[in-house]
Parts: sequence; C-alpha cells; structure tokens
Amino acid sequence: AQSVTQLDSHVSVSEGTPVLLRCNYSSSYSPSLFWYVQHPNKGLQLLLKYTSAATLVKGINGFEAEFKKSETSFHLTKPSAHMSDAAEYFCVVSGQAAGNKLTFGGGTRVLVKP
Amino acid sequence: KAGVTQTPRYLIKTRGQQVTLSCSPISGHRSVSWYQQTPGQGLQFLFEYFSETQRNKGNFPGRFSGRQFSNSRSEMNVSTLELGDSALYLCASSYRGPNEKLFFGSGTQLSVL
Repeated sequence: AQSVTQLDSHVSVSEGTPVLLRCNYSSSYSPSLFWYVQHPNKGLQLLLKYTSAATLVKGINGFEAEFKKSETSFHLTKPSAHMSDAAEYFCVVSGQAAGNKLTFGGGTRVLVKP
Repeated sequence: KAGVTQTPRYLIKTRGQQVTLSCSPISGHRSVSWYQQTPGQGLQFLFEYFSETQRNKGNFPGRFSGRQFSNSRSEMNVSTLELGDSALYLCASSYRGPNEKLFFGSGTQLSVL
C-alpha cells in the first residue's frame, strides 16, 4: 500500500521569505513523487516530478523538492515567496505496487502575507 | 493548444437522480483520469481510461462509472445520487497515463440536495 502525509495543513509566510512544505510518503517500491498546485476555482498544475534521475528536483516558478529515501520525505521549498504562490499544494505518490494509481496527500494551504 | 475542458461547470441535482459529466482532453492525449475532491476526503482517484479501455479503478461503489470514446473524450456517470456525492469532480489527461505530467480541467462542481 502507498500513502502520503503532508505534515502541515496550513502554512503562513511573508512575501519574500522562504517557503517549506513538508511531505512524507510510504511506498513498497521506488515511487514516483509529484507536487501539484491548485489555485482557487482551478484544476491542479504540476510543479515538479521525481523519477529517480536526481534527488534534487527543480520545478516551475522557482520551486524545488528534495527526495530523501532514508527519511521517506519529499519536501517542497521556494527561497522567496510571492503573493501569487497563495494556493493549495498537494504531494502525490504513484508506484507499480499500486498499479500506478495516484495517491494524494491532504493538501497544504499556503497564505502569503504582504 | 486548448486545455482540458470539463462540462458543465456547475450542477445541482437531488438525491436519487443520476448525472453525467463530460471531459474533453488535450488533443493527442489518450489517457483520461477522473478524481473526486471533497473537503472531508480530499482528492481521491476514481478511474482511468486509455484508448477506450478502463485501465485502473479506485475504491468507489459501482454507482460511479465512466467511458471513453474513440476521440478520447470521456464521460463519467453517477447513478442514484447521494448527499455525500457532492464534490468537485476533476478530469485530467496525458499522453500515456497518470504517472507522467497530468493536465487538469477546472472541474465540475456537483451539489446534491
């Protein structure tokens, strides 16, 4: 079985400060891991994807995530938050053990203060 | 290139009715997957179609069904609606399947009264 836990349901940051969204996963095999973002009244948009090529994955809009197998973590970071980063973020895992079905974390809602 | 289009955007139904939602994928994409999003349960995978065949299914009752046409457009149907079916239903498309980059539509907001 596979599962994803996003450790914070809400994160509040000031504009220009770093953002850290934490994600832990459980998967029987080498997983594929994703971060998606959802802005209000919109569908999800892929930020980045880990597929074992490199442990540090760079995504769009200045986001990056680091895969740490020993800690079963895939935390998302951005050095400097922008107002447009206010949204909900989902960590997602997929793996052969689950028939390549996607399992979503509960989401982290990010608030950016001016 | 046009994005993923879901229709209708909003739906209001009553318990016991049935509903059909439509999804038009990005041109060239053969995989269409469906997801239910609720405040309580979060995002959950419903099913995935590839070249008109259901390739994967989530843990939902048989009242939830879908199909895919030869042009890759997909529909999902929910019969005998229950209050708990109120949700945002999202459709996503890709070339080969959910394990690659998915392109999501804006969803259909279903309210069951």
